[in-house]
Amino acid sequence: DAGITQSPRHKVTETGTPVTLRCHQTENHRYMYWYRQDPGHGLRLIHYSYGVKDTDKGEVSDGYSVSRSKTEDFLLTLESATSSQTSVYFCAISPSRGASGSVNEQFFGPGTRLTVL
Amino acid sequence: RKEVEQDPGPFNVPEGATVAFNCTYSNSASQSFFWYRQDCRKEPKLLMSVYSSGNEDGRFTAQLNRASQYISLLIRDSKLSDSATYLCVVNRDTGRRALTFGSGTRLQVQP
Repeated sequence: DAGITQSPRHKVTETGTPVTLRCHQTENHRYMYWYRQDPGHGLRLIHYSYGVKDTDKGEVSDGYSVSRSKTEDFLLTLESATSSQTSVYFCAISPSRGASGSVNEQFFGPGTRLTVL
Repeated sequence: RKEVEQDPGPFNVPEGATVAFNCTYSNSASQSFFWYRQDCRKEPKLLMSVYSSGNEDGRFTAQLNRASQYISLLIRDSKLSDSATYLCVVNRDTGRRALTFGSGTRLQVQP
């Protein structure tokens, strides 16, 4: 158990409304990530963070912003939700060194299912 | 061309069968390789890392061929509980620890 929670777990919202998803971790990991998963695309990186107030864009960052004011929380905001942002959103962390010795292992939260009508 | 390509399947196999999944990646500078397992409507979970020398974990064997940029996963003696989608994952940027995920190969083990 990587100690990652996501909230809310399910959300239905309307086009044009702002939405914030929260990822919370309990183990002080430095690296955190937001992905979206859609059929046929696999997981695609939206934004990531390598420390408090240090964030960077991933491959599908348009329409999304993030904030990390505390080590344990990484927030993903959809400023004005669109139907194309209907997806499953996963948060992930990367420990300093994984169980297998790799520095690149990532562990995922349970996901948030977002529907934008 | 996708950075990581997998056959989407589904692979339908009987219990006890041996099944192999393949994956190719395009970035020759990639350094870390993984197989993740994802059950329906659940988060991906790390199955195993893949090393250049090949590695085995119980019924699961992973192989890496850097020259051909090819990764494989072999599952022996398939169980019903192995039914899932298997994701091939390659690091994109070691410094930032960014990973690239394949779309996954679906396995259905039948009684």
